[in-house]
Amino acid sequence: GDSVTQMEGPVTLSEEAFLTINCTYTATGYPSLFWYVQYPGEGLQLLLKATKADDKGSNKGFEATYRKETTSFHLEKGSVQVSDSAVYFCAPGGGGSNYKLTFGKGTLLTVNP
Amino acid sequence: NAGVTQTPKFQVLKTGQSMTLQCAQDMNHNSMYWYRQDPGMGLRLIYYSASEGTTDKGEVPNGYNVSRLNKREFSLRLESAAPSQTSVYFCASSGGGQQETQYFGPGTRLLVL
Repeated sequence: GDSVTQMEGPVTLSEEAFLTINCTYTATGYPSLFWYVQYPGEGLQLLLKATKADDKGSNKGFEATYRKETTSFHLEKGSVQVSDSAVYFCAPGGGGSNYKLTFGKGTLLTVNP
Repeated sequence: NAGVTQTPKFQVLKTGQSMTLQCAQDMNHNSMYWYRQDPGMGLRLIYYSASEGTTDKGEVPNGYNVSRLNKREFSLRLESAAPSQTSVYFCASSGGGQQETQYFGPGTRLLVL
């Protein structure tokens, strides 16, 4: 079955530092890839996605590139802010008729001023 | 636009009691999902409904039942609650098929004593 390995946290950074959260996956076919973010006390919300190889998803200064050859979808941001403190989840889709996402265990990011 | 709504927000049960968690979406989505979130475990899929009239087991279905009441509503029932079911429960919906992006509700925090 599909699986995802996500960098374990917690990750603690100072404001304006560079962020990388690694994500690798195994999946059948060519799934869409997602990053979700969960702010304290809230549900998950879509941060960005990529639907095919070499696509780059981006939102709110975050980026991730769909790397089919390394089955990876690493999340990056050049300069984090305190408001980016949250839990980040990587999730490959099932592809087409599967309807399901497989979520990683999440990475807690804390950004200090 | 309310998106995905869940009730109740918080519930305390005694072991052996039953309850139903309610979920509704107003995005005309075909697919709906129930997840549980536990510390260190990420999100685990309990049940899902690919389309109105169908339901399927996810990763951790034991102790739960679901009903896809209509296209908008998808409920999760605990017939005899156990302390191991203490968790945060999230409902999500998606367009289904190639429209894999899932939209999440705010969650229900359940404590079973």
